Amino acid sequence: EAGVAQSPRYKIIEKRQSVAFWCNPISGHATLYWYQQILGQGPKLLIQFQNNGVVDDSQLPKDRFSAERLKGVDSTLKIQPAKLEDSAMYLCASSPAPRQGNFNYEQYFGPGTRLTVT
Amino acid sequence: GESVGLHLPTLSVQEGDNSIINCAYSNSASDYFIWYKQESGKGPQFIIDIRSNMDKRQGQRVTVLLNKTVKHLSLQIAATQPGDSAVYFCAETRPRGQNFVFGPGTRLSVLP
Repeated sequence: EAGVAQSPRYKIIEKRQSVAFWCNPISGHATLYWYQQILGQGPKLLIQFQNNGVVDDSQLPKDRFSAERLKGVDSTLKIQPAKLEDSAMYLCASSPAPRQGNFNYEQYFGPGTRLTVT
Repeated sequence: GESVGLHLPTLSVQEGDNSIINCAYSNSASDYFIWYKQESGKGPQFIIDIRSNMDKRQGQRVTVLLNKTVKHLSLQIAATQPGDSAVYFCAETRPRGQNFVFGPGTRLSVLP
């Protein structure tokens, strides 16, 4: 089974520039997550999709961050304009839709995109 | 705001010894907990999970204990190996798998 794919793996941009990250979840996984992980900290959930609908985006800085999952499969996360404090690892994860009575929300993570804003 | 935290930021153990990594959570409404392992430069990897209606769950060399009375979660690793060296995160989620919250992490170093 192929894992979660992310690209690019690394990105260096100057502040005020724009950047986009791409994620391809595991085939058939209904739920997709984007996390921001600042060095030395735990991942912070930015947005959670169930198919192509948003379940939770309460911690997404909507003035500069946007995400979409138009066809319920691939997803893109965009930052425009970037700030120095956006330097972090951006992780995408996916999980299958839980079956009735099954509380397994195991998330499968991709390798991440390391963003450096200078 | 509510968060998941850890008692110890770093833990060093001798190879072959048992490791115990602790985690405190604050939201009594959380009903599902997960431990992840993250190696340098990689995404987190699922280790073991537990539902709030359980107090113990065992996997291969790992055991998770949940104490809902004091809102405490622990991960026990038996016969710790060099390959266990990584950062370990606990995470909690509210009902229906929403609002995943990760703790700050504990770095486990296995000494030869």
